[in-house]
Amino acid sequence: DGGITQSPKYLFRKEGQNVTLSCEQNLNHDAMYWYRQDPGQGLRLIYYSQIVNDFQKGDIAEGYSVSREKKESFPLTVTSAQKNPTAFYLCASSIGQVKAFFGQGTRLTVV
Amino acid sequence: AQSVTQPDIHITVSEGASLELRCNYSYGATPYLFWYVQSPGQGLQLLLKYFSGDTLVQGIKGFEAEFKRSQSSFNLRKPSVHWSDAAEYFCAVVDAGGTSYGKLTFGQGTILTVHP
Repeated sequence: DGGITQSPKYLFRKEGQNVTLSCEQNLNHDAMYWYRQDPGQGLRLIYYSQIVNDFQKGDIAEGYSVSREKKESFPLTVTSAQKNPTAFYLCASSIGQVKAFFGQGTRLTVV
Repeated sequence: AQSVTQPDIHITVSEGASLELRCNYSYGATPYLFWYVQSPGQGLQLLLKYFSGDTLVQGIKGFEAEFKRSQSSFNLRKPSVHWSDAAEYFCAVVDAGGTSYGKLTFGQGTILTVHP
């Protein structure tokens, strides 16, 4: 079945650690996105990529980094510079602006 | 910059009652508009979308939404709510042109509780 797979579902990070969230899609979509969700704030765009080897900052990119070496994969690294990383992270992909498909999310907690 | 406002943070309805979730957007040109639904701890599922044409759009699970340009609104409706509709609902907008290329701007979300 085609879709977007995010892993892990739950992730725990110690203070000062970098962690990487995985996002893989087999929909052959060109564009991929990372959103952060906090209660009462909706979803906010962290980074997006329209094509392999190219990506752009979204509204809240500070403390995050991404790579897009393959069309299918768009991993997100939450660095130690992100001071409040506890949140629900959603990955999405789309062909143009027609429809975005979302993964099931990764819940990151700082311990 | 485009923005989306969902005025109601939390709505409670009885099963079988009608539902209307409000969404207002701020955008200069014609946007593409979406409603998504999210169950707890899950990703987002697209309910319906508006691009152009008929301003009343039908979606999945018996939902519909009406685009009103004069009011900058895109309210979601359902005639009779089922207990399984309890979830969080997000309105979103994307630039219909330019360089935004599918970047969605979301409202804050409305949590729907359904009483038996």
